[in-house]
Amino acid sequence: QVLLIQSGAEVKKPGASVKVSCKASGYTFTDYYIYWVRQAPGHGLEWMGWINPQDGGIKYAQNFRGRVTMTRDTSLSTAYMELSGLRSDDTALYFCVRYGDYFSFDVWGPGTVITVSS
Amino acid sequence: DIQMTQSPSSLSASVGDRVTITCRANQYISNYLNWYQQKAGKAPKLLIYSVSSLRSGVPSRFSGSGSGTDFTLTISSLQPEDFATYYCQQSYSTPGFGQGTRLEIK
Repeated sequence: QVLLIQSGAEVKKPGASVKVSCKASGYTFTDYYIYWVRQAPGHGLEWMGWINPQDGGIKYAQNFRGRVTMTRDTSLSTAYMELSGLRSDDTALYFCVRYGDYFSFDVWGPGTVITVSS
Repeated sequence: DIQMTQSPSSLSASVGDRVTITCRANQYISNYLNWYQQKAGKAPKLLIYSVSSLRSGVPSRFSGSGSGTDFTLTISSLQPEDFATYYCQQSYSTPGFGQGTRLEIK
């Protein structure tokens, strides 16, 4: 069974950083890009960036450049997303997603809730 | 970036109704168009890829059509489990989503 397993919910203070993990199972981790998508409460889906697990190549969405860092550990089949300089409007559900066959997001993690509050 | 616009933003319908949701791209995206269903607090699920290909396990009451810039998702006979939010997504360039269509029970 193909799964993406994400780390648990976090509560952070403004200005702090958070690092979310995403462990892949049931497929070859290096065969598919991993995207990060977030969803603020009551809002739609916002693409943050992607990482190529094969070579570590990355691309970040304009809105997050300078604050987001995506990495991976192929020995653990795990991708990571770190967001710094947290603000209250970063409070959201963060998903890791496999960019699969047919140019679609075919496997989603369950999401990690990040709450930013003083 | 390519902008995706869905209409309507929300829709009320009854079990058994036929429902159509529209997605328009502001530039040509060929057939790089996918549809997702999301229920509250859950991750989206891929329903349809490449405009009209039904993902394995998705009921046949779901269908997609369109080309170029204009696309539709149709649910032929609504079932209680279909009430959710639906998103289109283009993969022609940097992936982007429509704003979503919330399908509610009338």
